[in-house]
Amino acid sequence: SQKIEQNSEALNIQEGKTATLTCNYTNYSPAYLQWYRQDPGRGPVFLLLIRENEKEKRKERLKVTFDTTLKQSLFHITASQPADSATYLCALDDSTGGSYIPTFGRGTSLIVHP
Amino acid sequence: NAGVTQTPKFQVLKTGQSMTLQCAQDMNHNSMYWYRQDPGMGLRLIYYSASEGTTDKGEVPNGYNVSRLNKREFSLRLESAAPSQTSVYFCASSEDRAPLPIYGYTFGSGTRLTVV
Repeated sequence: SQKIEQNSEALNIQEGKTATLTCNYTNYSPAYLQWYRQDPGRGPVFLLLIRENEKEKRKERLKVTFDTTLKQSLFHITASQPADSATYLCALDDSTGGSYIPTFGRGTSLIVHP
Repeated sequence: NAGVTQTPKFQVLKTGQSMTLQCAQDMNHNSMYWYRQDPGMGLRLIYYSASEGTTDKGEVPNGYNVSRLNKREFSLRLESAAPSQTSVYFCASSEDRAPLPIYGYTFGSGTRLTVV
């Protein structure tokens, strides 16, 4: 069966360090993968999208990698700040059926300590 | 501010009651979606509409109906609410899916529904 896995345990890091979050998937052939941020009581907010033929994408302090061989995406936040504390969701589309409806992982909570 | 607006923000229903969750977007997006989010379950797709006049079932459509009223509005109806439908409901929209989206999905702030 299809599965998207994100670490259910919260990631605790010190301010200024690089946070790395992982998204693994099985039985998908995604055309692209997305990362979202969700704060408590709010809807997810789109951060980055990376296509299957792209290895890496950057946006300010954010970097996403996409390895379709390993079936894994890594999401990095450099020089992390307490304001980066949130839950981060990955989402990917299964293009095999001809549709592009995103399926979301359960998210990983990031806590940045001052 | 441009975006996705959901109403109401909070609702308590008794088992068996009906209600409609409203969603409107002002970004001229063609595609709209309804998700529910439960603790430990993540976001699950209920229904989606790829364009005005079309709707399709998602992963968990049972107990729900939808209406794509026009390009801006996509409503979700619970005909006979059950405690299992207690959840946070999110509406989202996106640009056309073909070609592939560039800007991701825009979500509303959610409706917190409790069925007692």
